Amino acid sequence: KAGVTQTPRYLIKTRGQQVTLSCSPISGHRSVSWYQQTPGQGLQFLFEYFSETQRNKGNFPGRFSGRQFSNSRSEMNVSTLELGDSALYLCASSLGASGNSHLYEQYFGPGTRLTVT
Amino acid sequence: AQTVTQSQPEMSVQEAETVTLSCTYDTSESDYYLFWYKQPPSRQMILVIRQEAYKQQNATENRFSVNFQKAAKSFSLKISDSQLGDAAMYFCAYRSGYYGGSQGNLIFGKGTKLSVKP
Repeated sequence: KAGVTQTPRYLIKTRGQQVTLSCSPISGHRSVSWYQQTPGQGLQFLFEYFSETQRNKGNFPGRFSGRQFSNSRSEMNVSTLELGDSALYLCASSLGASGNSHLYEQYFGPGTRLTVT
Repeated sequence: AQTVTQSQPEMSVQEAETVTLSCTYDTSESDYYLFWYKQPPSRQMILVIRQEAYKQQNATENRFSVNFQKAAKSFSLKISDSQLGDAAMYFCAYRSGYYGGSQGNLIFGKGTKLSVKP
């Protein structure tokens, strides 16, 4: 089974621009979670999507948004980029169904390295 | 709110020896899961081992085992017969077991950088 894929792997943007990152989950997985990883703050949860609905959200400003499509692929968007948005953005997928918590086990993609100049 | 603390920013071990990475957590929930993830320099986060809070038996995966002390809220990872490929950042993570809440949300510690000396 193919793993979680993220595109692009590397991105350089200028302050004020916006960016869209893409994540394709493992086939059959319906939940996608996004995390931001920085040296200072570590790994922080951004949001989770399940069946095209945002199910959970972390403590990030409204500039960070996401969506999920009917095929479970997800995108996250960051508008009005700031220097502090430079980070590794990780996406993780899981089956995410109800009833059995084992199905929430998360598998991570390789990440997108975003640099804001 | 739940928190995860890894007090050892860096650790070093000789190849073939054993090393233990520490993790403590704080939660008021009774149903939760704990994980150790490994992130090598290539940055792909890999699940190493999982522990369900309701299980008293410590989880084991080949050379990796945990010491889960629920009352003390401690969850350490032991790596036996360390190999050069074990060198990586190791993250301890917590996940709620309650459906509909924050199950899609892993709470991570700051990580421990493990070096393996040949």
